[in-house]
Amino acid sequence: GDSVTQMEGPVTLSEEAFLTINCTYTATGYPSLFWYVQYPGEGLQLLLKATKADDKGSNKGFEATYRKETTSFHLEKGSVQVSDSAVYFCALIGSGNTGKLIFGQGTTLQVKP
Amino acid sequence: EAGVAQSPRYKIIEKRQSVAFWCNPISGHATLYWYQQILGQGPKLLIQFQNNGVVDDSQLPKDRFSAERLKGVDSTLKIQPAKLEDSAVYLCASSFRGSYNEQFFGPGTRLTVL
Repeated sequence: GDSVTQMEGPVTLSEEAFLTINCTYTATGYPSLFWYVQYPGEGLQLLLKATKADDKGSNKGFEATYRKETTSFHLEKGSVQVSDSAVYFCALIGSGNTGKLIFGQGTTLQVKP
Repeated sequence: EAGVAQSPRYKIIEKRQSVAFWCNPISGHATLYWYQQILGQGPKLLIQFQNNGVVDDSQLPKDRFSAERLKGVDSTLKIQPAKLEDSAVYLCASSFRGSYNEQFFGPGTRLTVL
């Protein structure tokens, strides 16, 4: 079945460092890909998405590109801030699916001043 | 716009007891989802409703879990009897329609089974 694998955390960075969180997926057809973020004490929020190959999703300085050839959707940010400290989840909705999100295990990011 | 509401926020019960969680989706959202998030894992879909009909309940442990969505609005998820492995955060989400529309998540209910 469809699945998502994320790099293990926690990831600890200094403020203004470059961030990459790796995400790869297994799915038949052409899934839609998502990054969700969970800030401390808050609910899951959609960060960005991409619905077809080579699409780039972006929001709040974060970017991710849908790479069909490597089945990847890595999350990047050029300069992280303390306020970016959160848990990040990569997820997919399979092609022809009813909308069920399949999540990776999450990666905790801690940014130190 | 009000978000997805869930209650209670926290619940502690003993194994073999029963528990119920409530969710009120965003007004006008036809699709409602219940996810289970075990500590250290990503959320896993338990059940999906479209209006008041079930679309997907393939991963719902039907011997102990049940859910309903009365009148296509609020929803209740019940566990009876609870097991230790049911300790998790139960997340409710809603979307305008299913498929690829953005899902909006509630704050979740953290269940601890002792």
